[in-house]
Amino acid sequence: QSALTQPASVSGSPGQSITISCTGTGNDVGAYNLVSWYQQYPGKAPKLMIYEVYKRPSGVSIRFSGTKSGNTASLTISGLQAEDEAHYYCCSYAGLTTPYVFGIGTTVTVL
Amino acid sequence: QVQLQESGPGLVKPSGTLSLTCDVSAGSITNSQWWTWVRQPPGKGLEWIGEIYHRGHTNYNPSLKSRITMSVDMSKDHFSLRLTSVTAADTAVYYCATHRDGYNFFDSWGQGALVTVSS
Repeated sequence: QSALTQPASVSGSPGQSITISCTGTGNDVGAYNLVSWYQQYPGKAPKLMIYEVYKRPSGVSIRFSGTKSGNTASLTISGLQAEDEAHYYCCSYAGLTTPYVFGIGTTVTVL
Repeated sequence: QVQLQESGPGLVKPSGTLSLTCDVSAGSITNSQWWTWVRQPPGKGLEWIGEIYHRGHTNYNPSLKSRITMSVDMSKDHFSLRLTSVTAADTAVYYCATHRDGYNFFDSWGQGALVTVSS
């Protein structure tokens, strides 16, 4: 099972919106509405930001939203803030053989 | 929400065995949850290693399956990872994490434990 494809980096100015894509295949992203997104600061553990494509856990800002079309899921951060500068990873359920596959990660930079 | 904490040796010799334990608190290992290991090589992305249910059911990453053993100790509320025949490529921060049975996202993570494979 190959890692999901994400852009290496995305940047934006404060207040702007950015979108991170996560491309898989018909065996993972395209097969299940079970994509989740994680935020990770350097030296820290990942934190769940979005689950089941678009759902937000309690406490996560409404500025974070998720969508999916075909084999590609996307995370949008609106009203970009300095605190959003971090690494972001998508993850998809991929069936019984290899249940979970992560994306390669995207570094978000706030200009 | 459960709290997780990894522990184990930070240095393992090549060809040796990596052993880590994850203590579960603010919850029980017998909850309806899958107990998971994820690793992250320095400067790289996350890799799902495998998971175990308290009744002993396991799912392993096929790329690591021949070298992995996971176990649960219900009396101590912890679960463990053993990875044999390690090489420098196994150097990583190892995270324990969990997801509820029937759900497919990781909502609790340990802080991570760096394991270096070196002689």
